[in-house]
Amino acid sequence: TAGITQAPTSQILAAGRSMTLRCTQDMRHNAMYWYRQDLGLGLRLIHYSNTAGTTGKGEVPDGYSVSRANTDDFPLTLASAVPSQTSVYFCASSESGGSYGYTFGSGTRLTVV
Amino acid sequence: AQSVTQPDIHITVSEGASLELRCNYSYGATPYLFWYVQSPGQGLQLLLKYFSGDTLVQGIKGFEAEFKRSQSSFNLRKPSVHWSDAAEYFCAVGSPDYGGSQGNLIFGKGTKLSVKP
Repeated sequence: TAGITQAPTSQILAAGRSMTLRCTQDMRHNAMYWYRQDLGLGLRLIHYSNTAGTTGKGEVPDGYSVSRANTDDFPLTLASAVPSQTSVYFCASSESGGSYGYTFGSGTRLTVV
Repeated sequence: AQSVTQPDIHITVSEGASLELRCNYSYGATPYLFWYVQSPGQGLQLLLKYFSGDTLVQGIKGFEAEFKRSQSSFNLRKPSVHWSDAAEYFCAVGSPDYGGSQGNLIFGKGTKLSVKP
């Protein structure tokens, strides 16, 4: 089934450790996004990429980095995790910016202890 | 600043009753409007979207929404709710005119729907 694959599904991570959340799409969408979802705060944009080779900062980029080496993959890296990064992370993609709506992955639940 | 407000954090309705979830937006450009649904432990699924034209749009699962420019609203409705509709619902707004972000969507904080038997 076409869509977005996120891995891992869940993870417990020690504070100070690094981790990369993986996101792969098979729809050849140009734009990709990373959001975090926290209770009472809704979805907040971390980073985005409008096309392969370009990235931009969203609302809450601090502590996170991304790369977009090709169309299909958009990994999110936490260089040195902190407990406040405990959240559910969603990757999304869109054909052309966000104008036509997003397709979301199933999410990664990350707990930093 | 652009924003999306969903005034109701949690709504409970009886199965078979009608439903209306509210969404108000503040947006300088011509808005594109969306409703998403999130079942527990799942990602978000697109219910419907409005770009232009007829202000009443139909979506999946029997949902519809009406765009009212004068009220800056895009409320979601369903005539008869089913128990399987229990989920969280998110309104979102975007536009290709939105600065350098090229149409990144702005999401409301969501409304959780519970359905009583």
